[in-house]
Amino acid sequence: QVQLVESGGGVVQPGRSLRLSCEVSGSTFSSYGMHWVRQAPGKGLEWVALIWYDGSDKYYADSVKGRFTISRDNTKNTLYLQMNSLRAEDTAVYYCAAEELEGLNFWGQGTLVTVSS
Amino acid sequence: DIQMTQSPATLSASLGDRVTITCRASQTINSWLAWYQQKPGKAPNLLIYKASTLETGVPSRFSGSGSGTEFTLTISSLQPDDFATYYCQQYNTDSPWTFGQGTKVEIK
Repeated sequence: QVQLVESGGGVVQPGRSLRLSCEVSGSTFSSYGMHWVRQAPGKGLEWVALIWYDGSDKYYADSVKGRFTISRDNTKNTLYLQMNSLRAEDTAVYYCAAEELEGLNFWGQGTLVTVSS
Repeated sequence: DIQMTQSPATLSASLGDRVTITCRASQTINSWLAWYQQKPGKAPNLLIYKASTLETGVPSRFSGSGSGTEFTLTISSLQPDDFATYYCQQYNTDSPWTFGQGTKVEIK
């Protein structure tokens, strides 16, 4: 059974940085494309970023491009999201998700990021 | 980027009803479309990928169809566990992925 556990969320001031982590267990992490998806309070899902299984390519939503960086460490079965220059509109629950073949097959429980002064 | 438009935003239905949700892409995405179900306070759950392929373990009352820019998710006979919010998502290659804005299925 694949399990994804996010950590690193919390309250942060506008303009500051935060790094989220997602530890994956129960399967071969290095075979999955990995994604971050966020959901602002009471709103819909917003896709944030994707990193290929081997880290060779990355894609970002326009709303975070240049501020967020997705990375992975296949030796630690861990996905990261470095978030810089945070804004109030980045407040959301952040989910990590694994792409096994097509679509996002496995999801974490989410970690809440609140950007507020 | 490719924009996804879902309709309706909210749908009121009764147990046993046939329910259809539509998703339109701003440009062709072939069949690179997935559908998810999300319940309050929970992570989404993949229902369908490649527009019409049912994910393992998903009940057969769920079905998907379409290609190009128009897609539908159909629930053939609405069950109590199906009251939730549904999202489409495109995953066309060489493009950032995007979700539709969601369709909430409520009890009538």
